[in-house]
Amino acid sequence: QVQLKESGPGLVQPSQTLSLTCTVSGFSLTSYNVHWVRQPPGKGLEWMGRMRYNGDTSYNSALKSRLSISRDTSKNQVFLKMNSLQTDDTGTYYCTRDDYGWFAYWGQGTLVTVSS
Amino acid sequence: DIQMTQSPPSLSASLGETISIECLASEGIYSNLAWYQQKPGKSPQLLIYGASSLQDGVPSRFSGSGSGTQFSLKISSMQPEDEADYFCQQSYKFPRTFGGGTKLELK
Repeated sequence: QVQLKESGPGLVQPSQTLSLTCTVSGFSLTSYNVHWVRQPPGKGLEWMGRMRYNGDTSYNSALKSRLSISRDTSKNQVFLKMNSLQTDDTGTYYCTRDDYGWFAYWGQGTLVTVSS
Repeated sequence: DIQMTQSPPSLSASLGETISIECLASEGIYSNLAWYQQKPGKSPQLLIYGASSLQDGVPSRFSGSGSGTQFSLKISSMQPEDEADYFCQQSYKFPRTFGGGTKLELK
């Protein structure tokens, strides 16, 4: 059974760094790409970046200077780090598995609030 | 980046009514389009992929059509459980981009 689960701090102070973990089960990170997508409260979805099955990464150019995605295949985990957080980075962060370009499996999401 | 423009932003439909949601891509994306349904507090769920293929487990009242730059999602008979937000997403180029969403309510 394919599962993804995000974890991380619910509250981050402005200018600080966000660190999130996506723990997957039911599939191998060396066979599938995993993406990060976020959603501000009451708004639409924004693609952030991806970790390819071979370890390569791609980023949204709007976030590239602040964003880093990595993984630990032995722990079945994909990590997101984003620095210099501001209030408009508040939202729900999802990890999702890429199946031929679309996202059939999503984590439950984790709400991140940027506030002092 | 490929811009995905969805319309209408919101829609109110009666029980049993047929509705359509449109998605316009700023450049041709062939059939590289997916539709998602998102209910409050939940993750998006894949409904349609490849513009017209129904994801396993999705009711047959949902259908997708289009190619190139113009796409649509149709719900053939509105049900109470279809109240949700709907998003389109292109998978032709990076960055992956989503439409702004359509909020569907039951009248």
